[in-house]
Amino acid sequence: GAVVSQHPSWVICKSGTSVKIECRSLDFQATTMFWYRQFPKQSLMLMATSNEGSKATYEQGVEKDKFLINHASLTLSTLTVTSAHPEDSSFYICSARLAETTDTQYFGPGTRLTVL
Amino acid sequence: EDQVTQSPEALRLQEGESSSLNCSYTVSGLRGLFWYRQDPGKGPEFLFTLYSAGEEKEKERLKATLTKKESFLHITAPKPEDSATYLCAVQGPGTYKYIFGTGTRLKVLA
Repeated sequence: GAVVSQHPSWVICKSGTSVKIECRSLDFQATTMFWYRQFPKQSLMLMATSNEGSKATYEQGVEKDKFLINHASLTLSTLTVTSAHPEDSSFYICSARLAETTDTQYFGPGTRLTVL
Repeated sequence: EDQVTQSPEALRLQEGESSSLNCSYTVSGLRGLFWYRQDPGKGPEFLFTLYSAGEEKEKERLKATLTKKESFLHITAPKPEDSATYLCAVQGPGTYKYIFGTGTRLKVLA
């Protein structure tokens, strides 16, 4: 149980284009999902918290116009990197909190984004 | 400011050589402490949740303990497949957000 998937697992795009990453909770409903990015040999950095049906809450220093987050249903959240640039290349990971009964987050497998 | 520090940064063990990883935290009103394992190029895999000092959880060769200032992840008789980065995260009061430590990279040699 508590499986989270991400799609795609890796993506290469040209500078200036937009990329959408999907995060799905496969066997549970997630009222809250989180988006992280991780640089090589570093820990996870929280980008934003996403609640179903409401606007995402972004961490300080994260550009909300660049990283668009939508949480349209209890099983799907999307992260769109708009006008991507090489410095946006990173490993993006989502997580989901298992409804109201636990504080534990379950993580997806991650998406490797490379911007050329 | 809430902080999480993990030590050591890296650890090399021989197969069967038991050891402990440390996660120390400064957060007022700990809501929960979480241990994850992360393999290269993958997302973190959930191991344990601890809520109060004195609590212990076990799973196979791993045992997690919690005090008011730190948590330990004890690895008993590790095997090469236990090689991974082990991450510790804490939650403060009134939030579901995690604060992650920088992790301990464990390598177990056959």
